[in-house]
Amino acid sequence: AQKITQTQPGMFVQEKEAVTLDCTYDTSDQSYGLFWYKQPSSGEMIFLIYQGSYDEQNATEGRYSLNFQKARKSANLVISASQLGDSAMYFCAMRDRMDSSYKLIFGSGTRLLVRP
Amino acid sequence: GAGVSQSPRYKVAKRGQDVALRCDPISGHVSLFWYQQALGQGPEFLTYFQNEAQLDKSGLPSDRFFAERPEGSVSTLKIQRTQQEDSAVYLCASSLAFGTSYEQYFGPGTRLTVT
Repeated sequence: AQKITQTQPGMFVQEKEAVTLDCTYDTSDQSYGLFWYKQPSSGEMIFLIYQGSYDEQNATEGRYSLNFQKARKSANLVISASQLGDSAMYFCAMRDRMDSSYKLIFGSGTRLLVRP
Repeated sequence: GAGVSQSPRYKVAKRGQDVALRCDPISGHVSLFWYQQALGQGPEFLTYFQNEAQLDKSGLPSDRFFAERPEGSVSTLKIQRTQQEDSAVYLCASSLAFGTSYEQYFGPGTRLTVT
C-alpha cells in the first residue's frame, strides 16, 4: 500500500540557514511522482516541487531542492537560505500509476519555524 | 489567471444540518479532487472526478457524503445530517490532466465546524 512518512513533527531553523525536511515513501509501483506542498497558517496548499521516479537528476526550484534517494525510498526537501516567510506546515505527497485516480497520498506534515 | 476557488470559506452547522460546499476549478482542468483535512493532519482523499464522471469515491467516509460535477466544471460536496466528526477543512484541487506528474492546484479550503 502507498504510504508517506514524515518523522519530524516540528523543526526550527535560523534565518538564512538551510534546513532539510525528511520524507520516506512506500510503493510497489515503479512509476510514481513525489510532491512537496507548503501550507501557511492561512490554509492554502502551495505546490513547491515535483520529482518523478524516472528523473535522474534531483529536482530544484529556486531555494527548494529535493534530495531523491530512490533505493532508500526517501525524498527529502532542502530549503536553502531560510526566510521568515518559510514558517509553515510542509507536506510530502505521492501518487502512482497503480491508483487510477492518481490521488495524492500525504504525510502527516512537518511544522517549520524560522527564527530571526 | 484565476486559481481554484471554494465557497464558503467558513461554515458553521448545527449537528444534523445538511451543508453544501462548492468548488470552482481552474478552467479547462479535467481532474478534480476533494480532500478532507483534520486539524494538525495531512489531507486525506475523498473523491475524484474526471470531467463529469466520478471515477473514485473510495475515500468518502459514509453515505452521508455525496459529490457531483454535473457539467465537468464546478463541483459540489454535500454532507447530509452533519456530525461533529465532520468538522474539518475540505480542500478541492484540480489538475490539467491525469497522470503521475500533473500538479494538483488547491483551493483555499472550506473550514466546516459542526456544533
